[in-house]
Amino acid sequence: LAKTTQPISMDSYEGQEVNITCSHNNIATNDYITWYQQFPSQGPRFIIQGYKTKVTNEVASLFIPADRKSSTLSLPRVSLSDTAVYYCLVGDTLTGGFKTIFGAGTRLFVKA
Amino acid sequence: GAGVSQSPSNKVTEKGKDVELRCDPISGHTALYWYRQSLGQGLEFLIYFQGNSAPDKSGLPSDRFSAERTGGSVSTLTIQRTQQEDSAVYLCASSHPTGEPPERLQYEQFFGPGTRLTVL
Repeated sequence: LAKTTQPISMDSYEGQEVNITCSHNNIATNDYITWYQQFPSQGPRFIIQGYKTKVTNEVASLFIPADRKSSTLSLPRVSLSDTAVYYCLVGDTLTGGFKTIFGAGTRLFVKA
Repeated sequence: GAGVSQSPSNKVTEKGKDVELRCDPISGHTALYWYRQSLGQGLEFLIYFQGNSAPDKSGLPSDRFSAERTGGSVSTLTIQRTQQEDSAVYLCASSHPTGEPPERLQYEQFFGPGTRLTVL
């Protein structure tokens, strides 16, 4: 399983764009990159997933360079409610399930 | 629609007792996962099921931990002879195929609210 490395914590202010980068140097050809968000006292929630280049949805964008050894989650115009822990995962679920390694995540704190 | 549910929401037990934690996945989801999260820590993978089978049990911390899934639905995580270090939130998630090849999307996991286990 590819190991991921993320910053432990980040601070931001409301209205700013936040970029969280995850390193995954040993990513395999079949691996996808997925990001989850976790609020206190809740289970994680899926944010976005990608394989290469850029993916955008209503919540975030995910930038993946050509070598796929890293990825950047971009949160536009954050608000106080975006304060949470963000996890980067890599893995292949062709078989329908896989051993998922969440790691410690990045604790984002958004200030007013 | 109904999400993943877990019971009990809180469990306080004495050291040495056995506990059973239950997970009801989203109907139709073929994969089911158990994780453990200690206070302020990331999620620790315990086990996953594909249907009723558990292809990978390597995440279970010790032989005191076991899990089963019946009918491709409900799963039970059992911890025997609980220890204080077993205190944590136990999270369950389920997922199902969302794409056809060649996209081979990772299957989004839907998490339950967790069971907070406290071993005194």
